[in-house]
Amino acid sequence: DQQVKQNSPSLSVQEGRISILNCDYTNSMFDYFLWYKKYPAEGPTFLISISSIKDKNEDGRFTVFLNKSAKHLSLHIVPSQPGDSAVYFCAASARGNFNKFYFGSGTKLNVKP
Amino acid sequence: DGGITQSPKYLFRKEGQNVTLSCEQNLNHDAMYWYRQDPGQGLRLIYYSQIVNDFQKGDIAEGYSVSREKKESFPLTVTSAQKNPTAFYLCASSAYGGANSYGYTFGSGTRLTVV
Repeated sequence: DQQVKQNSPSLSVQEGRISILNCDYTNSMFDYFLWYKKYPAEGPTFLISISSIKDKNEDGRFTVFLNKSAKHLSLHIVPSQPGDSAVYFCAASARGNFNKFYFGSGTKLNVKP
Repeated sequence: DGGITQSPKYLFRKEGQNVTLSCEQNLNHDAMYWYRQDPGQGLRLIYYSQIVNDFQKGDIAEGYSVSREKKESFPLTVTSAQKNPTAFYLCASSAYGGANSYGYTFGSGTRLTVV
């Protein structure tokens, strides 16, 4: 049973607009969340994180929002650029157990010029 | 350049054979991990190691084995006992015994196919 779910396998957005990628989780013990970005034939790279003591974390064009009551997090990319086209994974860990992250299945973002 | 290297990129295995996937890092990271990715699924943890000569089973360790004789190296053997080994395998590393706020550093993966 997947504890972290990304229900949209793909998303297409026009350049300059906002991209919103969603992630849901079932385990209420999760308290630390990461987003990774993956280009073809490369490994995932860390993008942004958020801990459960916050509901928002911002880094340049990337913002992650956490809604603990809904067990939902989202990644906003504003403005979207063609170079953002990649697969995005969310991951979660429980009680600071950084040795065990649970990953979603990924969302493939296509930003059209 | 520091990084994590997986080899080979593509690997074909006959049924009943054991194969070993290589993972080497020169980041001086303490912890190393093996994940498996199947289509439509997230990454699932196979094994991890926090220090040399020690490793722990992840969620799907059956049919796999690992060793950690050197800090830089964490090879994964897919044994004939693994019933469905065709998948994309990712190796990762992190400093200080676990991923910090910057997460893991991943290799570029090995795609294993059983023929």
